[in-house]
Order: sequence, then structure tokens, then C-alpha cells
Amino acid sequence: DAGVIQSPRHEVTEMGQEVTLRCKPISGHDYLFWYRQTMMRGLELLIYFNNNVPIDDSGMPEDRFSAKMPNASFSTLKIQPSEPRDSAVYFCASSFGGADTQYFGPGTRLTVL
Amino acid sequence: AQKITQTQPGMFVQEKEAVTLDCTYDTSDQSYGLFWYKQPSSGEMIFLIYQGSYDEQNATEGRYSLNFQKARKSANLVISASQLGDSAMYFCAMRGADGLTFGKGTHLIIQP
Repeated sequence: DAGVIQSPRHEVTEMGQEVTLRCKPISGHDYLFWYRQTMMRGLELLIYFNNNVPIDDSGMPEDRFSAKMPNASFSTLKIQPSEPRDSAVYFCASSFGGADTQYFGPGTRLTVL
Repeated sequence: AQKITQTQPGMFVQEKEAVTLDCTYDTSDQSYGLFWYKQPSSGEMIFLIYQGSYDEQNATEGRYSLNFQKARKSANLVISASQLGDSAMYFCAMRGADGLTFGKGTHLIIQP
């Protein structure tokens, strides 16, 4: 079975550019989570969806960050405009039920110059 | 608020020895779950083992076991017969009312 799929795996962009990260959850999972990992702050939950509806976006750092889930098999995390401090690894994870094990994608390593 | 503490930033262990990675948690929730994830140098997060707060027996998955001591609020990961491929970051996480909270991680290095 396919796991969580993320694209791109690596993204290098310049400050001020728009960045879009993509995620395809495991088929049948009804929860989708976006995390950010940095050396300084560790793993932080940014936002999560249940049945395509955003439930908690309190972890989204600023209005520059937005996330959508137009259907059960696709989600995006957008940063506009990007800044160097956004450089991190962004993970998408999915689960069947909010209390169940979350399975992570391979992550997108974002570098903003 | 829930909190996870991993007190060992790094560990060096000889191959084939058993390893215990410490994890303590703090929560006021009655129902919660505890997880361990492995993150090798390649970066992916790999789920290892899960323990529910109401589970009476310690969880085991192959060479991994979770030493769950509810009264002490600890959920240590035990790796038996360590292998070179076990070298990685290990994260303890707790799922409670606030969602999934991760510890800072332990960097485990297995030496030949």
C-alpha cells in the first residue's frame, strides 16, 4: 500500500516567492496533519483537517501560511510570501480517526534564500 | 497542557546491547496515547510502537518494547539487541486533548 506522498521532496526558493507544498494522504484516512520541523523548535503541528475540514489552525505561524484540502486525497500548504525563517522540513501525516497512529510522509525540505 | 520530556539528547551504545530511551510525560487527560517514532538520517518519520493509557500490558513490536509506568508517567522505549541500522533520532510523542505533542528527541548512535 502507498504511504503518505509529499511533493516536492526538496524546494529551494528566494525570499518573497510563493511556495506550495503538496500532500496525498493514505487512502481511507480521514485526518490529515501538517507539521514543521526545525532544529530550534522541533516538530510543531501547524494545522489539521478532519474529513477535509480544517479543525485547528492555531499552529499556523502567520497569515503568510495557508492550507487547503479540496478533497479527501489532496492537501496543500502555501507560504506567500516566503521568508528565510520559513526554512524547515514540512511533514504531512494522516490517520484513520483522530486518536489513531499518524503515518508520516517523507517530508519536504524547504530552503528560502 | 500536555508535555513530553526526553532527557537524553544523545546516546552511544555498542552493537548488540539493549538500549533504553527515556520519555516522561505530563498531562491531565485520563485517556491518552503514547507513541515512539524513529527518524533516520534520511529524514522520514517511521512509526515504531504505540501504548494506550488504559492498556494494562506493555506494548511490544519485534525488538521494540515500551516500558509503560503510568504512576510515574513514563513511557521508555527499549530496543533489544541493537543493530547498526538503529542509529537515528527517536521521538516520543503523546496524543491527548491537545493533539499529538512530540519530545525533543534522542540521537542514538550504535557503535560496532
